[in-house]
Amino acid sequence: GQNIDQPTEMTATEGAIVQINCTYQTSGFNGLFWYQQHAGEAPTFLSYNVLDGLEEKGRFSSFLSRSKGYSYLLLKELQMKDSASYLCAVMDSNYQLIWGAGTKLIIKP
Amino acid sequence: GAVVSQHPSWVICKSGTSVKIECRSLDFQATTMFWYRQFPKQSLMLMATSNEGSKATYEQGVEKDKFLINHASLTLSTLTVTSAHPEDSSFYICSASSASGSSGVDTQYFGPGTRLTVL
Repeated sequence: GQNIDQPTEMTATEGAIVQINCTYQTSGFNGLFWYQQHAGEAPTFLSYNVLDGLEEKGRFSSFLSRSKGYSYLLLKELQMKDSASYLCAVMDSNYQLIWGAGTKLIIKP
Repeated sequence: GAVVSQHPSWVICKSGTSVKIECRSLDFQATTMFWYRQFPKQSLMLMATSNEGSKATYEQGVEKDKFLINHASLTLSTLTVTSAHPEDSSFYICSASSASGSSGVDTQYFGPGTRLTVL
């Protein structure tokens, strides 16, 4: 079966750095997406990785290792507004998005 | 760019009535649109995928006669919840992409969602 694993919840301090991990087992691979979802709102796109390595976009970076079936989202200089759920999703060989359950990130002052 | 709108943002209806939700891609042509449902504190659940001009593909367990999807143009898809019941109360979210299956990978951009409450 297809499976995406990410921690259910993480807590971090304002101004710090946090890494949210995602491991996957899917039928084929056509890229990995990270989305941010604030409570009561729809997801918003953060990043897309299809090749191994690190993609940096401002305070957010996303890393991919296809051989390990592993990705992480790195958030730097955390702000209170970063409190949200972070969803990892993998596009399989049929171009279907397989969603993780999301990681709820709680930022404390 | 890549803005998707949804209307209405929230709706309350009586049990047994039908509700139509619109999803529009405002600044790009969406060859594929997706409809999701999300219950409180749960993951997104894909309901169906629709390609413009074709019948929607429904996920297992989703009743196609209850959740009618129309994707008549490259910028508009509608989801109609027919004979709604309280258990249909949920957050319905559409997303749109400009890829169509094997033609390539593209990002899904989400609408703001529609909160449906059935009394």
